[in-house]
Amino acid sequence: GAGVSQSPSNKVTEKGKDVELRCDPISGHTALYWYRQSLGQGLEFLIYFQGNSAPDKSGLPSDRFSAERTGGSVSTLTIQRTQQEDSAVYLCASSLGTSGDEQYFGPGTRLTVT
Amino acid sequence: GQNIDQPTEMTATEGAIVQINCTYQTSGFNGLFWYQQHAGEAPTFLSYNVLDGLEEKGRFSSFLSRSKGYSYLLLKELQMKDSASYLCAVCRDDKIIFGKGTRLHILP
Repeated sequence: GAGVSQSPSNKVTEKGKDVELRCDPISGHTALYWYRQSLGQGLEFLIYFQGNSAPDKSGLPSDRFSAERTGGSVSTLTIQRTQQEDSAVYLCASSLGTSGDEQYFGPGTRLTVT
Repeated sequence: GQNIDQPTEMTATEGAIVQINCTYQTSGFNGLFWYQQHAGEAPTFLSYNVLDGLEEKGRFSSFLSRSKGYSYLLLKELQMKDSASYLCAVCRDDKIIFGKGTRLHILP
């Protein structure tokens, strides 16, 4: 079956522009996570969706970042007024949803802000 | 809050054994994951420990001590393909928080 997919795979944008990153989780997975990974660094938690519950937004670095998940499936991460420090790989992961379930990661979106 | 600490880099020799440690401080602890990440690729699942003790899975084993806030990943019979980053991640209230990862270099 299909794994987690993300689009675009690469995005180059000018400072100040808005970008949208998309994640399609594995069908039936109720949990969805967004992470950010800068070059050579670990994964920085951004936001977590679980079913119909209110998302855990505690990792979003500023109010320029937002995310939504429509119909409990596809998720979009939006970064407004991008800054150079937003350049990173944005990874999405999904899991069946109960505590301890293995996360399946998408290939990531490499964002470069010039 | 949570602090997850693991060494930044380690080097080992092909065929040898290496132990990668991870210490954590977190409330609401549910369990601990280990993931492997090759350069330029997404992380892949290795193990998940909930109870104290050692869990073995082929050449890889993972240990957890909840009372000490400590885990390690043990890699045996190292192969060149094991050169990667190894990420320790804590499951807290269903949210999974990653450490910065340990880059493991394997020498021939």
